[in-house]
Amino acid sequence: QSVLTQPPSVSGAPGQRVTISCTGSSSNIGAGYDVHWYQQLPGTAPKLLIYGNSNRPSGVPDRFSGSTSGTSASLAISGLQAEDEADYYCQSYDTSLSGTQVFGTGTKVTVL
Amino acid sequence: EVQLVQSGAEVKKPGESLKISCKGSGYSFTSYWIAWVRQMPGKGLEWMGLIYPGDSDTRYSLSFRGQVTISADKSISTAYLQWSSLKASDTATYYCARHGSGVASSIDYWGQGTLVTVSS
Repeated sequence: QSVLTQPPSVSGAPGQRVTISCTGSSSNIGAGYDVHWYQQLPGTAPKLLIYGNSNRPSGVPDRFSGSTSGTSASLAISGLQAEDEADYYCQSYDTSLSGTQVFGTGTKVTVL
Repeated sequence: EVQLVQSGAEVKKPGESLKISCKGSGYSFTSYWIAWVRQMPGKGLEWMGLIYPGDSDTRYSLSFRGQVTISADKSISTAYLQWSSLKASDTATYYCARHGSGVASSIDYWGQGTLVTVSS
């Protein structure tokens, strides 16, 4: 089981804003390790969406934003679009797992 | 252009061995960590472990230690994931992926995935 917990699903109408939480602990997010976010469209490999807590790679729309606070992180999608319907995963480094990376449990975003 | 190209889909029987590959190109293969990620059918991503091809430093998630072996041949810019005795529960898509810089960094490039089916 993952040490990073996400809600199984979130939904919103087109144009709305949705947020996805990623709850960790003092051995990962709370220890100051960066959080990264990925988007996975059906049948495709994941794609980097946010790196280093709040940075967007080139080509990622500014509708996507990331933040951290304490032992948690959040991904926000504003101006929700149909093409945003996908699975989203957070990722961080964890010192309780022999110093390895870990993914969150994943969140399915549905555009109503 | 950075690319990670994985070997093709495999169908195996329980107890058989398997080695899948991931060939990197378009960058210095020895300078970036390569990770392996499992995705079981309909499930989430699981980080399995990674290797630094420059010196073969390898680390495993506790869940996968002893279950798989990660290796690399830097002379041909290829990383590998292997099993000595497959189980039905190993059925999944396996992705190789490049960590940007450092073992705690994000994954900036992914392979296309290799579907492994284990069935009697």
